[in-house]
Amino acid sequence: DAGVTQSPTHLIKTRGQHVTLRCSPISGHKSVSWYQQVLGQGPQFIFQYYEKEERGRGNFPDRFSARQFPNYSSELNVNALLLGDSALYLCASSLRTGGSAQYEQYFGPGTRLTVT
Amino acid sequence: QKEVEQDPGPLSVPEGAIVSLNCTYSNSAFQYFMWYRQYSRKGPELLMYTYSSGNKEDGRFTAQVDKSSKYISLFIRDSQPSDSATYLCAMLLQGAQKLVFGQGTRLTINP
Repeated sequence: DAGVTQSPTHLIKTRGQHVTLRCSPISGHKSVSWYQQVLGQGPQFIFQYYEKEERGRGNFPDRFSARQFPNYSSELNVNALLLGDSALYLCASSLRTGGSAQYEQYFGPGTRLTVT
Repeated sequence: QKEVEQDPGPLSVPEGAIVSLNCTYSNSAFQYFMWYRQYSRKGPELLMYTYSSGNKEDGRFTAQVDKSSKYISLFIRDSQPSDSATYLCAMLLQGAQKLVFGQGTRLTINP
């Protein structure tokens, strides 16, 4: 059974540009979360989506947005890129949101974004 | 002050040694405690989780939670070179939507 998949693997963008990252959850999983991991740090929560609705948002500026599609895949969009947005962007899927099942988050390999 | 503090290391031990990894936290409302393993250029992999206080054992791995001290530990027995990775602790509030991670400890097991 396929795990969480993310695309692209690597991406290089210039300051001010826009980027779209994509995630496909494990089959049957309806909740997708996005995390940003800066080199040498732990992942930081950005968003969670469940059943196509935003269920949680971390402390990130409005330049970050996301959405979830009817097939439960998700996109993370970042506008007006800054050098500080360079990081590994991780997607995690789980069966459902909240409660004791929330810990069962399965992470994808991530998309490494470099902003120059 | 960060919600979750974790010594970044790096930590280097010989093969076969017992490894102790630790995190402290400030929010007494955390209920779920997890340990993830992350190999270089990979996503985190869930190793163990514990609900509230107590111990949990899985093979060579033991997780401990001491809520009175706001302190969690992961012990690795008979450590192997394949255990070399970054270990992340993570915590969750009951009903919350986000995992709160520590900085991660980089571990190297030397053959």
